[in-house]
Amino acid sequence: DVQMTQSPSSLSASVGDRVTITCRAGRIIDNYLNWYQLKPGTAPKLLIYGASSLQSGVPSRFSGSGSGTDFTLTISSLQLEDFATYHCQQSYTPPFTFGPGTKVEIK
Amino acid sequence: QVQLQESGPRLVKPSETLSLICSVSGGSISPYYWSWIRQSPGKGLEWIGFIHYTGTTNYNPSLQSRVTMSVDTSKNQLSLTLKSVTAADTAVYFCTRDHGGYGANVVWYFDLWGRGSLITVSS
Repeated sequence: DVQMTQSPSSLSASVGDRVTITCRAGRIIDNYLNWYQLKPGTAPKLLIYGASSLQSGVPSRFSGSGSGTDFTLTISSLQLEDFATYHCQQSYTPPFTFGPGTKVEIK
Repeated sequence: QVQLQESGPRLVKPSETLSLICSVSGGSISPYYWSWIRQSPGKGLEWIGFIHYTGTTNYNPSLQSRVTMSVDTSKNQLSLTLKSVTAADTAVYFCTRDHGGYGANVVWYFDLWGRGSLITVSS
């Protein structure tokens, strides 16, 4: 299985801050990397697919970059509704695997 | 808009079989792939497997011996069964609609999720 790691595991930030989350794959996965937002009690939401493509309906303050083994999710100006947990996921090869998540909390 | 709703018994006894249904409303099961994913405190998010509307499946090898997925296009429903459960199978179970397929440069992703159903394995 392709192991996925994320850093940091949690962070505290204020509304308006720029936030960057890093994801690393245990092997080269080209651009087969997706990002999801999870909030308790709600349906998880796809944010970014193919490392850098913004899913329809997702605000443009979210962006993704990277290729190979190292990837980044950036929120350019954090909003109240962005406080959540973010997971990366590789789709290079089954079984599809997820990162352990980064919890974004209010400072 | 398309919505997914997971349903089934919330409490399952150890060694018994977990059964879940995912009802798809506002859209059709075809021509998509559909996955089941679970989230537990111990193992994070874990992909269980996917099923195509034609019935083709691909299961996570870690669960393959215990998992069965099926699709009922007439009812617009998917089902998941997991046999011989233990406490380690306690998790929130999600169904997802997949953007996927076989071929060069096809990025597989889960573009629509249900809210999830917490299933507890306990006697």
